[in-house]
Amino acid sequence: DTEVTQTPKHLVMGMTNKKSLKCEQHMGHRAMYWYKQKAKKPPELMFVYSYEKLSINESVPSRFSPECPNSSLLNLHLHALQPEDSALYLCASSQFGTHNEQFFGPGTRLTVL
Amino acid sequence: AQSVTQPDIHITVSEGASLELRCNYSYGATPYLFWYVQSPGQGLQLLLKYFSGDTLVQGIKGFEAEFKRSQSSFNLRKPSVHWSDAAEYFCAVGAEERKTSYDKVIFGPGTSLSVIP
Repeated sequence: DTEVTQTPKHLVMGMTNKKSLKCEQHMGHRAMYWYKQKAKKPPELMFVYSYEKLSINESVPSRFSPECPNSSLLNLHLHALQPEDSALYLCASSQFGTHNEQFFGPGTRLTVL
Repeated sequence: AQSVTQPDIHITVSEGASLELRCNYSYGATPYLFWYVQSPGQGLQLLLKYFSGDTLVQGIKGFEAEFKRSQSSFNLRKPSVHWSDAAEYFCAVGAEERKTSYDKVIFGPGTSLSVIP
């Protein structure tokens, strides 16, 4: 299984809502990532988890809260978002260590009203 | 600092024509390089990667890329384009973050490919 799955595919939320994005992989990868991608732009790294521990936080606002409950799952909890947070949110995973390719999920299209 | 440039924002080719997408990188050490493709509203799919060895790399869907250290380039090629190749193409360089043993992937701005039937 070389697939990264993400749910939901689309999400519309108000600025006062709390929602969560989910990512799952069963490739035995111990590094998992969240990226944000605006239209016509490359993905921007948000968070990196290594062995279920947060390794990298690219100065992301606290209204985005990641969680890695186990080696296969990665969540992104959303609260009090702004309209400018509307984007495609991509999850990726890879083997731990250097020189490894990242496998991407299909993304969650988020719209904040 | 590491960076990736893709000089062509948008390219249009006719179906059956050859294709070359340009990529230049800036990196202090020996880089490792990727090409990803993204169809509209989809995630990124890896086309090919270069870590070391043979500088001509074969990938999926008939794509290949050539690493040229002297030119700091990693251009993507395909001899005959199909309509289904229309997508966004991202070149990326992997940079090791020594403190974390993690590789930060730096993406270029992307090249949008349109294919005329």
